[in-house]
Amino acid sequence: DQQVKQNSPSLSVQEGRISILNCDYTNSMFDYFLWYKKYPAEGPTFLISISSIKDKNEDGRFTVFLNKSAKHLSLHIVPSQPGDSAVYFCAASLPSGTYKYIFGTGTRLKVLA
Amino acid sequence: GAGVSQSPRYKVAKRGQDVALRCDPISGHVSLFWYQQALGQGPEFLTYFQNEAQLDKSGLPSDRFFAERPEGSVSTLKIQRTQQEDSAVYLCASSLALVGGPAYEQYFGPGTRLTVT
Repeated sequence: DQQVKQNSPSLSVQEGRISILNCDYTNSMFDYFLWYKKYPAEGPTFLISISSIKDKNEDGRFTVFLNKSAKHLSLHIVPSQPGDSAVYFCAASLPSGTYKYIFGTGTRLKVLA
Repeated sequence: GAGVSQSPRYKVAKRGQDVALRCDPISGHVSLFWYQQALGQGPEFLTYFQNEAQLDKSGLPSDRFFAERPEGSVSTLKIQRTQQEDSAVYLCASSLALVGGPAYEQYFGPGTRLTVT
């Protein structure tokens, strides 16, 4: 039972254009969401997070949008750069307890120069 | 400051051997998590410590898996009698988050890639 889903295993985008990575979840109790970037042979690196009381959070080139009614999360990267090429994971946690994360299966982004 | 470190980075074990994986969290982070990441999948939660207390071990796949954090800092994940299905990357993460407190992001180490032959 996959509670957090990333249905696109891969995405290719031209340098300078927008990259949009999507994530869907099934548990309406999730209240904290994050995006991580992962390069080969490295651990996931935190990118950006959003609390369920917000619908948008922005940090430089990265913006996360949360649509609670649709149980949908997206990450926008503008403009995309070749260094953004990596696997992106979305994660979610519940409002109480240990804040363990439930991860999606990842989307491999390739930014073409 | 220093991030989360893990050792060894790579471990090859023969089936049936015991292994021990070490994690050094970020100084001051009271919360420590272990995750298992199989090839092509996202990380999956194994266990959680707040200081030295293991508050959640619901993700440990069998009683062959054991974790400890005796002094509330360094943690060790031990796998006894390794099996081929234990082959995965084992990730450690630390965080400022406390049970019942506000949420904080987790910072991950580089992982230990375990291969059981």
